[in-house]
Amino acid sequence: NAGVTQTPKFQVLKTGQSMTLQCAQDMNHEYMSWYRQDPGMGLRLIHYSVGAGITDQGEVPNGYNVSRSTTEDFPLRLLSAAPSQTSVYFCASSYSPGQGLGEQYFGPGTRLTVT
Amino acid sequence: EDKVVQSPLSLVVHEGDTVTLNCSYEVTNFRSLLWYKQEKKAPTFLFMLTSSGIEKKSGRLSSILDKKELSSILNITATQTGDSAIYLCAGAGWGAQKLVFGQGTRLTINP
Repeated sequence: NAGVTQTPKFQVLKTGQSMTLQCAQDMNHEYMSWYRQDPGMGLRLIHYSVGAGITDQGEVPNGYNVSRSTTEDFPLRLLSAAPSQTSVYFCASSYSPGQGLGEQYFGPGTRLTVT
Repeated sequence: EDKVVQSPLSLVVHEGDTVTLNCSYEVTNFRSLLWYKQEKKAPTFLFMLTSSGIEKKSGRLSSILDKKELSSILNITATQTGDSAIYLCAGAGWGAQKLVFGQGTRLTINP
């Protein structure tokens, strides 16, 4: 199993550009989520999904869109990048939240810089 | 709004010392408290504590949940330089669909 994979590992964008961060998992997990991590802020939830076709907002959703057309993939779209979106982005997956959110498996992260 | 707070935010000790990291939580219909270790990249899972499992231990690491004080501690004994990392705790409520993370404690172990 590859676990949770993310691409790209690094990205530099100019203000106003758009891009998609890719996330895939091969563990047949129903639950997937996106976090951003900034110094001193821990992990903040952007969006999450409890299954294909179902997504919801987390703590900091503004400026980001998600979709979940398959169990495996959960891309994160930045619509019009802003310097405030400079951060490290982590994708995570776990078993169904109906069983109680427990161990989440994290991808390696994408370091995004917006100039 | 659910909230998780960790202390201290940063800690520097010498190899061989014992450290205690703190996590307090305000989580609606609390179900579980999780600890993660983050070295250079992705967080990795350490422990999950619930009302039915308030104490966990793995090697030199141990964690206890205090349901009365709404808090948890992570103890690391005989620290090694490889224990240097950010330690994150997170809370979840029954039926919750998201974890709430604290700010993290950056632990540095000097040789």
